[in-house]
Amino acid sequence: AQKVTQAQTEISVVEKEDVTLDCVYETRDTTYYLFWYKQPPSGELVFLIRRNSFDEQNEISGRYSWNFQKSTSSFNFTITASQVVDSAVYFCALSEAFFYGGATNKLIFGTGTLLAVQP
Amino acid sequence: DTAVSQTPKYLVTQMGNDKSIKCEQNLGHDTMYWYKQDSKKFLKIMFSYNNKELIINETVPNRFSPKSPDKAHLNLHINSLELGDSAVYFCASSQDRGRYNEQFFGPGTRLTVL
Repeated sequence: AQKVTQAQTEISVVEKEDVTLDCVYETRDTTYYLFWYKQPPSGELVFLIRRNSFDEQNEISGRYSWNFQKSTSSFNFTITASQVVDSAVYFCALSEAFFYGGATNKLIFGTGTLLAVQP
Repeated sequence: DTAVSQTPKYLVTQMGNDKSIKCEQNLGHDTMYWYKQDSKKFLKIMFSYNNKELIINETVPNRFSPKSPDKAHLNLHINSLELGDSAVYFCASSQDRGRYNEQFFGPGTRLTVL
């Protein structure tokens, strides 16, 4: 069955430290998508990145970077030089490519990692 | 210019009541979803609609009934509310044609059943 595991429940760092959030997934599908979402204390869910199963290139966006490794079924997220504003719950999610005539996707979320960045 | 909006943001009600949560998206997306986030922050899909057609129904009690009057709206009606229904409910939408299928979430509705 499809599953996403975020083993780190809570991480606390001091501002300017680098931090990596781990995500391990399980799926039988050959085509799938992986996502990261951020949920700040205000509660909304903010999309950060999407990666499809055929694209193993790492991605960097400012202080954020993502390392996708199919061999270990991992999609880890690193924040460089963390800031207090990075404090949030971060969710990794897996989406099956689900076809019924068109296509839709169903996000399966991990349990989230609470990141606290102390000043 | 809110992309996905939900009303109300907070809903406090008594056990046994019936309530509705409304969701609208102005992104022109084909597919809309309801997710439930429990007190431990666990997010789980409940329903998915594509062009007003129910696609996903994830073993949700039939007290929950989604309704999609058009592809820009997906409402959630809950009958006979129970204490365990207390949660944050998120609406989301996605454009499922082609590669761009990230889901955009509304701000959430915090439901408290007393």
